[in-house]
Amino acid sequence: AQKVTQAQTEISVVEKEDVTLDCVYETRDTTYYLFWYKQPPSGELVFLIRRNSFDEQNEISGRYSWNFQKSTSSFNFTITASQVVDSAVYFCALSEAGSSNTGKLIFGQGTTLQVKP
Amino acid sequence: DAGVTQSPTHLIKTRGQQVTLRCSPKSGHDTVSWYQQALGQGPQFIFQYYEEEERQRGNFPDRFSGHQFPNYSSELNVNALLLGDSALYLCASRARGWADEKLFFGSGTQLSVL
Repeated sequence: AQKVTQAQTEISVVEKEDVTLDCVYETRDTTYYLFWYKQPPSGELVFLIRRNSFDEQNEISGRYSWNFQKSTSSFNFTITASQVVDSAVYFCALSEAGSSNTGKLIFGQGTTLQVKP
Repeated sequence: DAGVTQSPTHLIKTRGQQVTLRCSPKSGHDTVSWYQQALGQGPQFIFQYYEEEERQRGNFPDRFSGHQFPNYSSELNVNALLLGDSALYLCASRARGWADEKLFFGSGTQLSVL
């Protein structure tokens, strides 16, 4: 069965600190997608990144970076020089590849990030 | 370009009642998925609709049903409401096909069952 674990329930940092959000997943599929979403207080899930299982290259987008390691089934997310606006709940998610399946995401429990000024 | 829109934003019902939630997908999207997010939890997949049929279903009882209309909008119906049905209900849409696997989410409907 597919499963996503975000062991960190809450993280609190001071502005400008770097912070890493951990994500560990389980799947028997050889082809799958991994996602990170941000959920601000408004409730809408905001897409941050999608990575497929064949692409282990790390990715950097501005202050955000992602480290995908198949050997440890991890897909960690780092925010560099955090800002108060980064405060939100962050979800890691997993889906099977295939157009009939990708409406279904398996989400982790989420990590609440609080960035203090 | 409007994103995914959901209505109503908040709803209060009592146990045993029935509720209908509505979703309009993002322009150009033909597939709609529904998720239930209990307080402090990650969203859980309820079901997915495209071509006006339920295509995939999560581990939810038959009290949860849905519909998709020819304009791709969708409804989620929940019968015989239980206290445990209190949650944020999220709708997500996407365009089917290998080229675009990204889901866009609405802001949700907060359902409270008293």
